[in-house]
Amino acid sequence: TQLLEQSPQFLSIQEGENLTVYCNSSSVFSSLQWYRQEPGEGPVLLVTVVTGGEVKKLKRLTFQFGDARKDSSLHITAAQPGDTGLYLCAGPSGYALNFGKGTSLLVTP
Amino acid sequence: EAQVTQNPRYLITVTGKKLTVTCSQNMNHEYMSWYRQDPGLGLRQIYYSMNVEVTDKGDVPEGYKVSRKEKRNFPLILESPSPNQTSLYFCASRWTVNQPQHFGDGTRLSIL
Repeated sequence: TQLLEQSPQFLSIQEGENLTVYCNSSSVFSSLQWYRQEPGEGPVLLVTVVTGGEVKKLKRLTFQFGDARKDSSLHITAAQPGDTGLYLCAGPSGYALNFGKGTSLLVTP
Repeated sequence: EAQVTQNPRYLITVTGKKLTVTCSQNMNHEYMSWYRQDPGLGLRQIYYSMNVEVTDKGDVPEGYKVSRKEKRNFPLILESPSPNQTSLYFCASRWTVNQPQHFGDGTRLSIL
């Protein structure tokens, strides 16, 4: 199993602040996916990054895939309470899809 | 509407009483998976299936069985549930190995 380490585990910030969460591995991945999960629901895909060095933007969220395809980051600009949730990264490993343990984000007004 | 449907959403049962959690997808996806989610441990894969009649173990398969007799259905079977199987379970499906997962809404199991 190719492990994905996410940091920080928990993050509590105020509305309007910026933040970055990280997803790291010692293994090379063909692609990495980012999901967000809200309480009582299943994870929902935010983005897939495929190319080393790739940067993708989704409104206030910026995703980056490391040049060596071993790590990824998610940067949120001017966080809002609606950004609260569990952020998960995931990468394929053979036929399986492995997930990191996630970063739990709380944005307070 | 494209979706993955799990049933039941909630179940409280007792040790040793066989139970089945159903999962159905309407997207004609090849791949289906079962995960359990526990605090501090994240999402861990139980079993996955690459196609009809083709299944393989994930990271935590002990105490679980699956079957894939039809493309759309992938039930999770607990033959003799134990309290350590109390968890939040998710079924998911996807087109191919590099495509994103579509998750169901989860099944919260409590084994007393």
